[in-house]
Amino acid sequence: KAGVTQTPRYLIKTRGQQVTLSCSPISGHRSVSWYQQTPGQGLQFLFEYFSETQRNKGNFPGRFSGRQFSNSRSEMNVSTLELGDSALYLCASSLGWARPYGEQFFGPGTRLTVL
Amino acid sequence: AQTVTQSQPEMSVQEAETVTLSCTYDTSESDYYLFWYKQPPSRQMILVIRQEAYKQQNATENRFSVNFQKAAKSFSLKISDSQLGDAAMYFCAYRSNFGNEKLTFGTGTRLTIIP
Repeated sequence: KAGVTQTPRYLIKTRGQQVTLSCSPISGHRSVSWYQQTPGQGLQFLFEYFSETQRNKGNFPGRFSGRQFSNSRSEMNVSTLELGDSALYLCASSLGWARPYGEQFFGPGTRLTVL
Repeated sequence: AQTVTQSQPEMSVQEAETVTLSCTYDTSESDYYLFWYKQPPSRQMILVIRQEAYKQQNATENRFSVNFQKAAKSFSLKISDSQLGDAAMYFCAYRSNFGNEKLTFGTGTRLTIIP
């Protein structure tokens, strides 16, 4: 079974630009979550999508948005990039049920650098 | 809101020895999961072990075991017979059982294995 894939793996942008990151979950998984990882703030939850609906959202400004398609693939978008948005963005997929518990599998991440 | 605290930023252990990583958490919920994730230098996050709060028995996965103290809100990870491949960042994480997949992570412990 193929794992979670994220594209692109590396990205360099300049301040003010926007960026779109993509995540393809494991086949059959309906939940996709996004996390931002930085040395200063650690791992922070951005949002979770389940069956094309945003089910939960973290404390990030409105510049961060996401969506999920009918095939469960998800994209996240960051508009008007700031230097502080430089981070590793991880996505995780799972079946999405509370019980029985379904393990969350993480992708390799997208390293975003904002200059 | 839930919080997860890892008070040991770095730990080291001799190969073949045993090491314990500490984690405490705060929540008002009674039904939740706790996890330990491993993030090797390649950055792919991997689930090491999980514990359901309503299970009193401590989880064990081969050389990895936990000491779950629900009343004290403590969740430590013990690695026995440490191997070079265990070198990584270890994150403790919390997940509520109320309808979404959001993980709240601790700040991580960097584990070094000394040959």
